[in-house]
Amino acid sequence: QKEVEQNSGPLSVPEGAIASLNCTYSDRGSQSFFWYRQYSGKSPELIMSIYSNGDKEDGRFTAQLNKASQYVSLLIRDSQPSDSATYLCAAFMNRDDKIIFGKGTRLHILP
Amino acid sequence: DGGITQSPKYLFRKEGQNVTLSCEQNLNHDAMYWYRQDPGQGLRLIYYSQIVNDFQKGDIAEGYSVSREKKESFPLTVTSAQKNPTAFYLCASSFSADFTQPGAFFGQGTRLTVV
Repeated sequence: QKEVEQNSGPLSVPEGAIASLNCTYSDRGSQSFFWYRQYSGKSPELIMSIYSNGDKEDGRFTAQLNKASQYVSLLIRDSQPSDSATYLCAAFMNRDDKIIFGKGTRLHILP
Repeated sequence: DGGITQSPKYLFRKEGQNVTLSCEQNLNHDAMYWYRQDPGQGLRLIYYSQIVNDFQKGDIAEGYSVSREKKESFPLTVTSAQKNPTAFYLCASSFSADFTQPGAFFGQGTRLTVV
Protein backbone atom coordinates (compact mmCIF):
# COMPACT_ATOMS: atom_id res chain seq x y z
CA GLN A 1 0.00 0.00 0.00
CA LYS A 2 1.37 3.41 -0.96
CA GLU A 3 1.83 5.78 1.95
CA VAL A 4 -0.12 8.70 0.48
CA GLU A 5 -2.53 8.15 -2.41
CA GLN A 6 -4.37 10.56 -4.68
CA ASN A 7 -6.25 10.27 -7.94
CA SER A 8 -4.07 11.71 -10.68
CA GLY A 9 -6.95 13.35 -12.53
CA PRO A 10 -7.32 15.51 -14.44
CA LEU A 11 -10.28 16.85 -12.52
CA SER A 12 -12.24 19.39 -14.56
CA VAL A 13 -14.48 21.84 -12.69
CA PRO A 14 -16.47 24.78 -14.08
CA GLU A 15 -15.44 28.24 -12.97
CA GLY A 16 -17.33 29.26 -9.84
CA ALA A 17 -18.04 25.68 -8.73
CA ILE A 18 -16.55 23.76 -5.81
CA ALA A 19 -13.51 21.60 -6.53
CA SER A 20 -13.09 18.59 -4.26
CA LEU A 21 -9.71 16.87 -3.98
CA ASN A 22 -9.17 13.68 -1.98
CA CYS A 23 -6.27 11.83 -0.40
CA THR A 24 -5.78 8.72 1.75
CA TYR A 25 -2.79 7.77 3.89
CA SER A 26 -1.49 4.53 5.35
CA ASP A 27 0.29 5.50 8.60
CA ARG A 28 -2.41 5.60 11.28
CA GLY A 29 0.06 7.37 13.58
CA SER A 30 0.43 10.41 11.29
CA GLN A 31 -0.65 13.63 12.96
CA SER A 32 0.07 16.34 10.38
CA PHE A 33 -1.28 16.71 6.86
CA PHE A 34 -0.69 19.27 4.16
CA TRP A 35 -1.98 20.45 0.82
CA TYR A 36 0.40 22.00 -1.68
CA ARG A 37 -0.33 23.70 -4.98
CA GLN A 38 2.15 23.31 -7.81
CA TYR A 39 1.98 25.24 -11.06
CA SER A 40 3.65 23.70 -14.08
CA GLY A 41 7.42 24.12 -13.92
CA LYS A 42 7.35 25.65 -10.44
CA SER A 43 8.03 24.36 -6.94
CA PRO A 44 5.18 23.36 -4.59
CA GLU A 45 3.56 26.03 -2.43
CA LEU A 46 2.06 25.16 0.97
CA ILE A 47 -1.58 26.26 1.05
CA MET A 48 -3.14 24.37 3.98
CA SER A 49 -2.10 22.30 6.97
CA ILE A 50 -4.42 20.34 9.25
CA TYR A 51 -3.81 18.39 12.42
CA SER A 52 -7.21 17.72 14.05
CA ASN A 53 -10.29 15.87 12.89
CA GLY A 54 -12.84 18.10 11.23
CA ASP A 55 -12.68 21.11 8.97
CA LYS A 56 -10.21 23.96 8.72
CA GLU A 57 -11.10 26.95 6.59
CA ASP A 58 -8.80 29.57 5.06
CA GLY A 59 -10.43 31.88 2.57
CA ARG A 60 -11.78 29.83 -0.33
CA PHE A 61 -9.99 26.71 0.87
CA THR A 62 -11.29 24.14 3.36
CA ALA A 63 -9.24 21.16 4.47
CA GLN A 64 -11.04 18.19 6.01
CA LEU A 65 -9.45 15.43 8.07
CA ASN A 66 -10.95 12.11 9.16
CA LYS A 67 -8.33 10.12 11.08
CA ALA A 68 -10.60 7.12 11.61
CA SER A 69 -10.94 6.72 7.83
CA GLN A 70 -7.36 7.94 7.16
CA TYR A 71 -8.74 10.46 4.73
CA VAL A 72 -7.88 14.07 3.94
CA SER A 73 -9.65 16.35 1.49
CA LEU A 74 -9.38 19.86 0.11
CA LEU A 75 -12.35 21.90 -1.05
CA ILE A 76 -11.88 24.97 -3.21
CA ARG A 77 -14.95 27.20 -3.34
CA ASP A 78 -15.70 29.64 -6.16
CA SER A 79 -13.04 28.01 -8.34
CA GLN A 80 -11.04 30.40 -10.51
CA PRO A 81 -8.97 29.68 -13.64
CA SER A 82 -5.90 30.60 -11.56
CA ASP A 83 -6.64 27.56 -9.37
CA SER A 84 -5.71 25.30 -12.29
CA ALA A 85 -2.65 23.46 -11.02
CA THR A 86 -1.53 20.16 -9.54
CA TYR A 87 -2.48 19.71 -5.90
CA LEU A 88 -0.21 17.56 -3.77
CA CYS A 89 -1.31 15.92 -0.55
CA ALA A 90 1.41 15.23 2.03
CA ALA A 91 1.62 13.60 5.45
CA PHE A 92 4.22 13.72 8.17
CA MET A 93 5.09 10.12 8.98
CA ASN A 94 5.71 10.11 12.74
CA ARG A 95 7.31 6.67 12.72
CA ASP A 96 10.11 7.90 10.43
CA ASP A 97 10.05 11.69 10.97
CA LYS A 98 9.64 12.42 7.27
CA ILE A 99 7.15 14.13 4.96
CA ILE A 100 5.75 11.93 2.21
CA PHE A 101 3.83 13.22 -0.82
CA GLY A 102 1.15 11.74 -2.99
CA LYS A 103 1.55 11.90 -6.75
CA GLY A 104 -0.80 14.85 -7.02
CA THR A 105 -4.14 15.58 -8.68
CA ARG A 106 -4.26 17.83 -11.74
CA LEU A 107 -7.09 20.32 -11.46
CA HIS A 108 -8.42 22.19 -14.48
CA ILE A 109 -10.90 25.01 -13.98
CA LEU A 110 -13.03 25.50 -17.08
CA PRO A 111 -13.74 29.20 -17.90
CA ASP B 1 14.25 38.00 3.46
CA GLY B 2 13.95 34.49 4.83
CA GLY B 3 13.79 31.62 2.44
CA ILE B 4 15.33 28.60 0.80
CA THR B 5 17.81 29.08 -2.01
CA GLN B 6 18.69 26.38 -4.48
CA SER B 7 21.43 26.72 -7.03
CA PRO B 8 21.93 26.43 -9.87
CA LYS B 9 18.49 26.69 -11.43
CA TYR B 10 19.60 24.65 -14.45
CA LEU B 11 22.44 22.13 -14.53
CA PHE B 12 23.80 19.96 -17.28
CA ARG B 13 25.79 16.85 -16.50
CA LYS B 14 27.89 14.68 -18.72
CA GLU B 15 27.71 10.92 -18.47
CA GLY B 16 29.90 9.62 -15.64
CA GLN B 17 30.21 12.97 -13.92
CA ASN B 18 29.32 13.82 -10.32
CA VAL B 19 27.46 17.07 -9.70
CA THR B 20 26.47 18.85 -6.50
CA LEU B 21 23.24 20.77 -6.01
CA SER B 22 23.24 23.49 -3.39
CA CYS B 23 20.48 24.18 -0.85
CA GLU B 24 20.71 26.93 1.75
CA GLN B 25 18.02 28.17 4.16
CA ASN B 26 17.94 31.09 6.57
CA LEU B 27 14.65 30.16 8.23
CA ASN B 28 16.34 28.53 11.23
CA HIS B 29 14.63 25.28 10.29
CA ASP B 30 15.87 22.06 11.84
CA ALA B 31 14.78 19.62 9.13
CA MET B 32 15.80 19.60 5.50
CA TYR B 33 14.70 17.35 2.65
CA TRP B 34 15.64 16.50 -0.92
CA TYR B 35 12.96 15.32 -3.35
CA ARG B 36 13.08 14.33 -6.96
CA GLN B 37 10.22 14.97 -9.38
CA ASP B 38 9.94 13.41 -12.81
CA PRO B 39 7.55 14.77 -15.47
CA GLY B 40 3.94 14.15 -14.50
CA GLN B 41 5.00 12.46 -11.28
CA GLY B 42 4.82 13.28 -7.60
CA LEU B 43 7.72 14.00 -5.28
CA ARG B 44 9.94 11.13 -4.22
CA LEU B 45 12.11 11.49 -1.14
CA ILE B 46 15.86 11.07 -1.68
CA TYR B 47 17.41 12.02 1.68
CA TYR B 48 16.34 13.96 4.73
CA SER B 49 17.94 15.35 7.85
CA GLN B 50 16.33 16.31 11.14
CA ILE B 51 19.50 17.62 12.78
CA VAL B 52 23.03 18.69 11.95
CA ASN B 53 25.48 15.85 11.27
CA ASP B 54 22.67 13.33 10.87
CA PHE B 55 20.65 12.27 7.84
CA GLN B 56 18.54 9.35 6.67
CA LYS B 57 17.91 7.70 3.34
CA GLY B 58 14.57 8.22 1.71
CA ASP B 59 12.87 5.99 -0.82
CA ILE B 60 15.32 6.51 -3.72
CA ALA B 61 18.73 7.21 -2.14
CA GLU B 62 20.79 5.00 -4.44
CA GLY B 63 23.22 7.05 -6.54
CA TYR B 64 22.92 10.12 -4.31
CA SER B 65 24.84 11.42 -1.31
CA VAL B 66 24.31 14.31 1.13
CA SER B 67 25.99 16.08 4.02
CA ARG B 68 24.63 18.23 6.84
CA GLU B 69 27.63 19.99 8.38
CA LYS B 70 25.70 23.20 9.04
CA LYS B 71 22.09 23.79 10.00
CA GLU B 72 21.63 26.12 7.05
CA SER B 73 23.04 23.88 4.33
CA PHE B 74 22.10 20.49 2.87
CA PRO B 75 23.93 19.87 -0.44
CA LEU B 76 23.00 16.92 -2.64
CA THR B 77 25.56 15.13 -4.82
CA VAL B 78 24.28 13.20 -7.80
CA THR B 79 26.92 10.57 -8.48
CA SER B 80 27.75 8.68 -11.65
CA ALA B 81 26.06 5.67 -10.06
CA GLN B 82 22.67 7.33 -10.57
CA LYS B 83 21.69 5.93 -13.94
CA ASN B 84 18.77 8.21 -14.74
CA PRO B 85 19.46 11.54 -13.06
CA THR B 86 17.53 13.84 -15.42
CA ALA B 87 14.80 15.32 -13.21
CA PHE B 88 13.59 18.34 -11.25
CA TYR B 89 15.25 18.39 -7.80
CA LEU B 90 13.52 20.14 -4.93
CA CYS B 91 14.95 21.02 -1.55
CA ALA B 92 12.64 21.76 1.38
CA SER B 93 12.99 22.69 5.02
CA SER B 94 10.74 22.76 8.09
CA PHE B 95 10.74 23.05 11.84
CA SER B 96 10.82 19.74 13.63
CA ALA B 97 7.98 19.07 16.01
CA ASP B 98 7.08 16.17 18.19
CA PHE B 99 3.36 16.42 17.58
CA THR B 100 2.26 18.87 14.93
CA GLN B 101 4.62 19.34 12.06
CA PRO B 102 4.17 22.80 10.55
CA GLY B 103 4.89 21.81 6.99
CA ALA B 104 7.83 22.15 4.66
CA PHE B 105 8.71 25.08 2.43
CA PHE B 106 10.44 24.59 -0.89
CA GLY B 107 13.21 26.22 -2.82
CA GLN B 108 12.75 27.04 -6.50
CA GLY B 109 14.27 23.76 -7.64
CA THR B 110 17.15 22.68 -9.87
CA ARG B 111 16.56 21.12 -13.28
CA LEU B 112 19.28 18.59 -13.97
CA THR B 113 19.78 17.27 -17.48
CA VAL B 114 22.26 14.62 -18.60
CA VAL B 115 23.86 15.45 -21.93
